[in-house]
Amino acid sequence: TQLLEQSPQFLSIQEGENLTVYCNSSSVFSSLQWYRQEPGEGPVLLVTVVTGGEVKKLKRLTFQFGDARKDSSLHITAAQPGDTGLYLCAGALKEGAQKLVFGQGTRLTINP
Amino acid sequence: DAGVTQSPTHLIKTRGQHVTLRCSPISGHKSVSWYQQVLGQGPQFIFQYYEKEERGRGNFPDRFSARQFPNYSSELNVNALLLGDSALYLCASSSRFWDRGNTIYFGEGSWLTVV
Repeated sequence: TQLLEQSPQFLSIQEGENLTVYCNSSSVFSSLQWYRQEPGEGPVLLVTVVTGGEVKKLKRLTFQFGDARKDSSLHITAAQPGDTGLYLCAGALKEGAQKLVFGQGTRLTINP
Repeated sequence: DAGVTQSPTHLIKTRGQHVTLRCSPISGHKSVSWYQQVLGQGPQFIFQYYEKEERGRGNFPDRFSARQFPNYSSELNVNALLLGDSALYLCASSSRFWDRGNTIYFGEGSWLTVV
C-alpha cells in the first residue's frame, strides 16, 4: 500500500491547457515537497510546503498543502512542452524525520 | 559549486555479485541519504547518515549497508545481488539533519542492472 497516492499516474495534454496533479494520504505530514525528474536524472526540488493551507507559486505552477496536512496539489497553468517530466510528491512524516516518503509519480506529457 | 556527485553512473552486475556505489555531497553538507528507485516508481528510502552515524534505515534487507566517511562522502554496498536490485540508486545531501523545510538535493543517480 502506497502511503502517498498520486493521481493521475499518467497525463497527456495539449500545450496551453491547464492541469492539476494530486497527492493524497491518510497520514499527516510535517512537510511536503514536490520534485520534477527528467529521464536519467535525479529529482529536482520544486517547492517545500510546511503549513496547512499554504499556497506557493512558482511561475505557472501553483502548489497547495491541505489544511490537515494530509494532501497536496500541483496546478500548472498554460502547460508548455518544457513542463514534460515525472512529477513526484514526497513527505516527511514528522518533524526531524529521517526519511522522505515518495508517491509513485505522475508522468506528464505536454504535446505541442 | 559542484552538486551531489555519484559514481559510477551506469553499471552491470551478475546475480550474486557485490556492488559499491559512491556519493559526494555538496560541500558543507553533513547529511547523506540513499534511495532506491525502481523503474516506474517513486524513490524509496534506504539509509540516512549524519555526521558519520546511521540515523535512519528503511525496509531493506541486511544485504544493503552503507557508511559515511570523515569528509562526509558515502558508500552504499549491496551484497548477493538479486535481479530485483536493478534500479536507479539516488544519493541526496542536505546541510543538516532533516527538519521542516530543509532542502534536500539529489544526485543524478547510479543505474544498476543485475543480469
